[in-house]
Order: sequence, then C-alpha cells, then structure tokens
Amino acid sequence: QVQLVESGGGVVQPGRSLRLSCAASGFIFSSSGMHWVRQAPGKGLEWVAFISYDGNNKYYADSVKGRFTISRDNSKNTLYLQMNSLRAEDTAVYYCAKESDSSGYGGIDPWGQGTLVTVSS
Amino acid sequence: QSALTQPRSVSGSPGQSVTISCTGTSSDVGGYNYVSWYQQNPGKAPKLMIYDISKRPSGVPDRFSGSKSGNTASLTISGLQAEDEADYYCNSYAGSFTWVFGGGTKLTVL
Repeated sequence: QVQLVESGGGVVQPGRSLRLSCAASGFIFSSSGMHWVRQAPGKGLEWVAFISYDGNNKYYADSVKGRFTISRDNSKNTLYLQMNSLRAEDTAVYYCAKESDSSGYGGIDPWGQGTLVTVSS
Repeated sequence: QSALTQPRSVSGSPGQSVTISCTGTSSDVGGYNYVSWYQQNPGKAPKLMIYDISKRPSGVPDRFSGSKSGNTASLTISGLQAEDEADYYCNSYAGSFTWVFGGGTKLTVL
C-alpha cells in the first residue's frame, strides 16, 4: 500500500534553514505530482507547495514563495522541502501528500503522518 | 489565496443529517469542479472523503455526499454516527496549480 514517511522536522531558530524529506513507497513515485501541506498547532490546513511528476514544474503558496523550495529525486522516491529564512509563523506539522489517482486537481490522497517544525529562539 | 469560509462548528444527533458549507469565490470554488473534503481526527493525518465535488473514494461510506452551487460547496453527512465526530476541511483548486483550504469545521455528534 502507499506509504509516505516524512522526516527532518525539529526546533530551529528564526532566520535559519531546515530541509524536510518524504520517503514514498507503494506506488510509482515518478508518475505522481506531490504536495506539501502544513498545519499550525490548533489551526487549519494550509496548502504549501506542489511539484509535478517530473520535477519540472513547482508552485507555491504566497506565504512561502521565495523562501521555500520543493524538489524531488525520483531515483530515490523522495520528496523534499527546503525551508529558508524561517519565521515563527512557519511553526506547524508539515504533511507530504500525493495527488489523487482519481483526480489530479481535485483530491490530495493519501497523506503522510507529518513532521513537526518549531521555529523558536 | 484567501482561505475558504467554513462554519467553525456543527453538531447533530446520531441518525440525523448535517451539512457543512464551504464558501469561496469565482476564482476557486466557483471556477472549477475540483472541490474536495477531508476528515481529520485528533493527532491524525487528514483523510480524503470527497473529490471532484461529489465523488467518493473507495471505502468511504455513501452517507457522505458533496455538492456545489455557485461559489459554495457543501458536505452532507446523513445517518450521523459517533465515529463521524472529527474536523472537516474543504479544499478547492484555485488555478495555476495552486490550492486553497477552508478554515475547518468541528463536527460534534451529540
């Protein structure tokens, strides 16, 4: 079955960088677009970024544009999120998720278990 | 990229029906037939319940249904069960490979 396992979260000071990884298995990773979605403590979901199946196209929420970079290594079945110039408001659980097989634009499924990023001095 | 508007909370008794609304604009909900709904239990990852406005993934009970009218989408849960108590989020494609979520609705089964 499809598995998405995030790693790389932790506590980081404001202005510093962190890279998240998401190891994918159980499906043809190189054929699927992938998302990062985050959730601040006690808050709702926020879409962060999307990358096309081949890594050639990348899209971002305005809140992270210019600071975060989504990438993938299809040879390693791994998705990444490079986060630079981190701010307190970036504190959240970050989920890796796959575009739905049933609808590329209309569904995000499944999701990983998430990794917590805390930005604090 | 403004969040879609959902009621903060809804409630219903077992066996009843509840509807959760999700209001956006013509640039997201109203402009595309790509609205999805997610169920999230405490401490867990979200789970896709409805995609493309009204389609159910395999394994999702047919008690869950979705619809859209203009800039507002809706999730209806009929025959409410205790296990349906959770947070629910709507999501819409917003064009140019961007997506937007609603603020979330807490469903309480009385």
